[in-house]
Amino acid sequence: DVKVTQSSRYLVKRTGEKVFLECVQDMDHENMFWYRQDPGLGLRLIYFSYDVKMKEKGDIPEGYSVSREKKERFSLILESASTNQTSMYLCASSFEQGVDQPQHFGDGTRLSIL
Amino acid sequence: GDSVTQMEGPVTLSEEAFLTINCTYTATGYPSLFWYVQYPGEGLQLLLKATKADDKGSNKGFEATYRKETTSFHLEKGSVQVSDSAVYFCALSDRGGSEKLVFGKGTKLTVNP
Repeated sequence: DVKVTQSSRYLVKRTGEKVFLECVQDMDHENMFWYRQDPGLGLRLIYFSYDVKMKEKGDIPEGYSVSREKKERFSLILESASTNQTSMYLCASSFEQGVDQPQHFGDGTRLSIL
Repeated sequence: GDSVTQMEGPVTLSEEAFLTINCTYTATGYPSLFWYVQYPGEGLQLLLKATKADDKGSNKGFEATYRKETTSFHLEKGSVQVSDSAVYFCALSDRGGSEKLVFGKGTKLTVNP
């Protein structure tokens, strides 16, 4: 089975801090994604990556950046955390580009910014 | 742009009741369609998918049929169980678009014994 592991289930940080959310997948997937999930808004794509060192903006990239130095690891960075970034963050991966490829999700990181 | 609209929740049913969660979509190209499920405290899992018109996806007693003429992909189950309590997301990936997943807002299902 595909395993997508997010480093923390719960995280509490302060306004202005630089926050790192880590995601690792163990199936040699090319594609990796970061979403945030908010009540009533569903999942919104923040950033994604189709290859090492490659990144593309999703629908809501403002206030975030990403890093993919190795194929299996995709990090989401909040450059200066703000309270409106309090949310559930979900990482996902998929095998290759193509509309038929399902995405495999981690269990999420619930981030609170105080 | 591409979008997915699914019925607002929450939905509350008794065990063994019939379930329908409506999902309609708008796409610029010819999408693949998915249903994902999120159990409490977990990430999303693929429940089923369909990649072309009239395909029926099925898994764990759930079914959905890709209806191109009505741009719909409604989720059904004949007899729900308490363990089906979860949030269900309809999603599409569009060949004519960016091939990213576009999700509906989710429908929370609670099944009571």
